[in-house]
Amino acid sequence: GAVVSQHPSRVICKSGTSVKIECRSLDFQATTMFWYRQFPKQSLMLMATSNEGSKATYEQGVEKDKFLINHASLTLSTLTVTSAHPEDSSFYICSAPGQTDTQYFGPGTRLTVL
Amino acid sequence: GNSVTQMEGPVTLSEEAFLTINCTYTATGYPSLFWYVQYPGEGLQLLLKATKADDKGSNKGFEATYRKETTSFHLEKGSVQVSDSAVYFCALSRASGGSYIPTFGRGTSLIVHP
Repeated sequence: GAVVSQHPSRVICKSGTSVKIECRSLDFQATTMFWYRQFPKQSLMLMATSNEGSKATYEQGVEKDKFLINHASLTLSTLTVTSAHPEDSSFYICSAPGQTDTQYFGPGTRLTVL
Repeated sequence: GNSVTQMEGPVTLSEEAFLTINCTYTATGYPSLFWYVQYPGEGLQLLLKATKADDKGSNKGFEATYRKETTSFHLEKGSVQVSDSAVYFCALSRASGGSYIPTFGRGTSLIVHP
């Protein structure tokens, strides 16, 4: 099946720094990728839709300037958490649709902001 | 807009018990419906899907039937195992601008005891 990778799997940073998370589709092209934030009680929140060659589409309540998304190629999307604060600590997940409407998920990135 | 509502967890069962996790949806048009599963420490993966009314998706002993009249897609398994302990997400997918936009339920944690 289609494989999506994320890097890094874990990151710890100081408050005020920026962190970049990469999402790659390894064996298929993805013009669209999705970024989610998973909260402690497993709830999955769609943050934004990453579009190759155009601007990302953010869900209501998600700060565009805080969570910068760049879809650099048909296999790579990046999420940059700018000026991170402890409340940004979370589990971030990406997904990409395959040739059908099934989503293929990355394994997630655990961000801890000290 | 589209939404997915699934039963609150955790659901705690003994091995070999019958499982039902309820899921209802609100959507325009005719979305595809999915169940994704997240095993402990892993990313989400597709469990089963159904693309049109009355379709039954099945995998690993799990089943769900797309019921348009009740806008439901309940997940069932006749005899659960300890290895089924995981978080289950009901989701729908709608086509938009050449891609597929997912909407997820909040997830239901299943705990199966020996």
